[in-house]
Amino acid sequence: QVQLQESGPGLANPSQTLSLTCSVSGVSISSGGNYWSWIRQHPGKGLEWIGYIYANGNTYYNPSLRSRVIISLDTSNNQFSLKLSFLTAADTAVYYCARDSTPDGIAAAGYFDYWGQGTLVSVSS
Amino acid sequence: SYALTQPPSVSVSPGQTATITCSGDELGDKYASWYLQKPGQSPVLVVYRDSNRPSGIPERFSGSNSGNTATLNIEGTQATDEADYYCQAWDTNTVVFGGGTKLTVL
Repeated sequence: QVQLQESGPGLANPSQTLSLTCSVSGVSISSGGNYWSWIRQHPGKGLEWIGYIYANGNTYYNPSLRSRVIISLDTSNNQFSLKLSFLTAADTAVYYCARDSTPDGIAAAGYFDYWGQGTLVSVSS
Repeated sequence: SYALTQPPSVSVSPGQTATITCSGDELGDKYASWYLQKPGQSPVLVVYRDSNRPSGIPERFSGSNSGNTATLNIEGTQATDEADYYCQAWDTNTVVFGGGTKLTVL
């Protein structure tokens, strides 16, 4: 059974960099066919895709966040991470990691079949 | 940038069919997926690649996608189906979510 679990600080300071980690079990993040994604949800709002990383290290980011986001892989620990810089109060949200499954390798046909439980990050001084 | 539009809310009586739409330019040429989210929980995939159901999702959930509109139908709606529903598609290497529809079972 695939499981994902986010970890990181629940509180961050404005202008600083947020670092979150997603620990994956039940599947190797190095295996193909999966895009490992970060998604966030502002309080009371909808889902916002942040970006993803593929097993080969290729990344794609939401254009609105691209200048502040880095997603990386840690294959030795079967984890992937999110760094979001220059934080403001507008980055306060629940952050989810999720697996975007593409069994046939077609990215445009992907879907999020496994999600972490989410972690609330509040940006405040 | 590509956008998906959903009605903010849909109401349905128990036992009736709920229909939730998702509109986007030539959405029928892309794959659409649907998620439900209950308060305080993570989203759950209910339909993928337009019309496929993951294991464990009841048959009363069905989807279609044609033209500019993807549709999620829930037949025989139950009180437990009350949730927020989101559509999702890919466009040029990016993922797009609709704004969400709150389904109320009256």
